[in-house]
Amino acid sequence: EPEVTQTPSHQVTQMGQEVILRCVPISNHLYFYWYRQILGQKVEFLVSFYNNEISEKSEIFDDQFSVERPDGSNFTLKIRSTKLEDSAMYFCATLHPNTEAFFGQGTRLTVV
Amino acid sequence: KNEVEQSPQNLTAQEGEFITINCSYSVGISALHWLQQHPGGGIVSLFMLSSGKKKHGRLIATINIQEKHSSLHITASHPRDSAVYICAARNEKLTFGTGTRLTIIP
Repeated sequence: EPEVTQTPSHQVTQMGQEVILRCVPISNHLYFYWYRQILGQKVEFLVSFYNNEISEKSEIFDDQFSVERPDGSNFTLKIRSTKLEDSAMYFCATLHPNTEAFFGQGTRLTVV
Repeated sequence: KNEVEQSPQNLTAQEGEFITINCSYSVGISALHWLQQHPGGGIVSLFMLSSGKKKHGRLIATINIQEKHSSLHITASHPRDSAVYICAARNEKLTFGTGTRLTIIP
């Protein structure tokens, strides 16, 4: 069973610090996504990534956020200067045409 | 922008009951996903539908493309079915519904 792996599972960081969330997507999938879920709220789209570039981003994905696929396998989400309201569960997901969606287990980010 | 609505938001039922969760969306899609989220937060894909009906064990998902509506049914519900069930409409990305929190009481 293919799977998406995210690290770390939990991260606590001080406000203003940079964090990098990591994802290892399924190798032959083409579309990669980051979503977030603030506690008690619905899952929100952040950004999609295709062919090594951003294909779509939401209003949430401002200049504090960036994504990279630095080595052809990992897919990272960086938050440059975290704010309290960035506290959420962050999910990496991959899609391939006509296949199920695969989600990582999530990274719970707590900004203090 | 696709608006995805689910109902009910919360559902409590006795073990053995037949469960129905509804999902509607506003814009045409390539597929509709039903997902399950457990208390730890992880999301698992249950179904991907582009037409008709799919069945997996006690779970059945249906979709009506013309009416932009999908339903998830659980037959002979069991306490281990307790989770949040989320529908997500797929085009270039997934747009998530608000989720339905299902609690099955023994």
